[in-house]
Amino acid sequence: GAGVSQSPSNKVTEKGKDVELRCDPISGHTALYWYRQSLGQGLEFLIYFQGNSAPDKSGLPSDRFSAERTGGSVSTLTIQRTQQEDSAVYLCASSPGRGSYEQYFGPGTRLTVT
Amino acid sequence: LAKTTQPISMDSYEGQEVNITCSHNNIATNDYITWYQQFPSQGPRFIIQGYKTKVTNEVASLFIPADRKSSTLSLPRVSLSDTAVYYCLVLLYGGSQGNLIFGKGTKLSVKP
Repeated sequence: GAGVSQSPSNKVTEKGKDVELRCDPISGHTALYWYRQSLGQGLEFLIYFQGNSAPDKSGLPSDRFSAERTGGSVSTLTIQRTQQEDSAVYLCASSPGRGSYEQYFGPGTRLTVT
Repeated sequence: LAKTTQPISMDSYEGQEVNITCSHNNIATNDYITWYQQFPSQGPRFIIQGYKTKVTNEVASLFIPADRKSSTLSLPRVSLSDTAVYYCLVLLYGGSQGNLIFGKGTKLSVKP
């Protein structure tokens, strides 16, 4: 079946511009996660959605970052006024929900801020 | 969340068995141990999970001693395609698990 998909696969933007990154989770998965990974580093948690519960935003690095999940499915991560330090691969993952330890990751969006 | 410690890198040769050990000294009673694999330019992929003793699947084995303060991922007869970063995580099973800490993982390089 279809896995997690993300778009765009690559995004180059100028410093100060806003960007939107999209994630389509696996159908039926109630949990959705956003991470970012800088070159040679581990994954940094950003935000977590579980069903209709309030999202866990504890990993968002600044108020320039926000995310929403519409209809319990597709999610959009928005970065406003991008900075060069925002350059990274942004990974989305979904899982069946509470009690599931297995996350299914998408291929990521490589963001480059010039 | 239990913090994990694992070697930054390991080298091996094709056909050898590779064992990667992860320390998680403050693991809690309801925590499970999970390992992910990440190839370059791809998202991580779940490979194995366990609570105690030994778990084996088609990809790897996971050994967990009685005190559960460490675990060892065993990859039998590695090939070049096993070159990847391996992450050890400790997860609370049955509850909301949002803030997962992947850390930098162990970079395994398999040589011919």
